[in-house]
Amino acid sequence: AQSVTQLGSHVSVSEGALVLLRCNYSSSVPPYLFWYVQYPNQGLQLLLKYTSAATLVKGINGFEAEFKKSETSFHLTKPSAHMSDAAEYFCAVRYPRGANSKLTFGKGITLSVRP
Amino acid sequence: EAQVTQNPRYLITVTGKKLTVTCSQNMNHEYMSWYRQDPGLGLRQIYYSMNVEVTDKGDVPEGYKVSRKEKRNFPLILESPSPNQTSLYFCASSLGSPSYEQYFGPGTRLTVT
Repeated sequence: AQSVTQLGSHVSVSEGALVLLRCNYSSSVPPYLFWYVQYPNQGLQLLLKYTSAATLVKGINGFEAEFKKSETSFHLTKPSAHMSDAAEYFCAVRYPRGANSKLTFGKGITLSVRP
Repeated sequence: EAQVTQNPRYLITVTGKKLTVTCSQNMNHEYMSWYRQDPGLGLRQIYYSMNVEVTDKGDVPEGYKVSRKEKRNFPLILESPSPNQTSLYFCASSLGSPSYEQYFGPGTRLTVT
């Protein structure tokens, strides 16, 4: 069965520091991979997705993620954190790549940004 | 404006009193889904629908029902709510292809006492 692992539940960084949120997936073949963000009291919003094109994927708000098959990882990064990045972040996997596939979410990581 | 709407946004009810949470999308999406979000557990899929009259169980379907009589609507029904169904519920929709993003509604916070 497909799954994603997001280690830790909370990450705290200083404003201007690098943001690194980790995601590892389990799948025998490359799945579709997504990062979603949830701001307080809102629904989820897509940050970026990997669908087997370029392995380095750029998303909104300066975020990017790199698909590494050898490490079964899809870590999310941003070079310089902003206060507005404080939110909960979810990694998600969709496999198999068929019409009946479903999206499986990780448990989420809360990002705090210190002034 | 393209959106997914849910109603109500907040609901407090008592054990055993049937309730329905509505979900509607205006994007002509084929795929719709319901999730519940609980602290430390992330989002778990309850039910999903590939198209009108086509629904299937997700990971946590017990105690829930759904129907898809029209493409735009996908209500979630709790026929006999229990306290363990207290949660934050999200409806989402997407085009049929699994590579497309899902658009989420604003959420419904349900409390069952």
